[in-house]
Amino acid sequence: EPEVTQTPSHQVTQMGQEVILRCVPISNHLYFYWYRQILGQKVEFLVSFYNNEISEKSEIFDDQFSVERPDGSNFTLKIRSTKLEDSAMYFCASTVAPGSGANVLTFGAGSRLTVL
Amino acid sequence: SQQGEEDPQALSIQEGENATMNCSYKTSINNLQWYRQNSGRGLVHLILIRSNEREKHSGRLRVTLDTSKKSSSLLITASRAADTASYFCATDLNTGFQKLVFGTGTRLLVSP
Repeated sequence: EPEVTQTPSHQVTQMGQEVILRCVPISNHLYFYWYRQILGQKVEFLVSFYNNEISEKSEIFDDQFSVERPDGSNFTLKIRSTKLEDSAMYFCASTVAPGSGANVLTFGAGSRLTVL
Repeated sequence: SQQGEEDPQALSIQEGENATMNCSYKTSINNLQWYRQNSGRGLVHLILIRSNEREKHSGRLRVTLDTSKKSSSLLITASRAADTASYFCATDLNTGFQKLVFGTGTRLLVSP
């Protein structure tokens, strides 16, 4: 069964450092997402991406965050200067085309980011 | 309150018992979905119910939707230890945007 793959599975970084989290969505999917989950808390929407541009972003997704689809397969989330509160599990998700009114997301296993 | 709130926050039952989790939401939706998350892992889609549906079944799962009360319930029948996980409802808002908004989750523990 097709999977969304994420790397790294765990990254530890120092506050102020740049981090890039990588995702390979399912190949025929068109919409891509990043969500995050602070330990034990709810899953929060960060950003959605379609047709090589951001379609929506949340208040969390400030100027320190950026997303990119540098080639036909990878979808990356960059945090420019990490803060302690960025420590969380980051999930990438993708879906074929939500226009049918059935926006079922396939999630990756997540990248755990620890900021020290 | 938030768009999706599940209750209870935690539920502990014995194998073979039924588990019922509830979700309330605030705004109009296209559909409501339930996802499962094993500890430290990604979310897995379980079932989707559209706004014009009232009940849906999938194996041991039964989902109901009451749009007048803006609430949904997930029933897992004859639970197994392997059902131990967190369960989240997610709403597909009727706004033209494509994101899902997740609730706060119910942690289910099924003891053998």
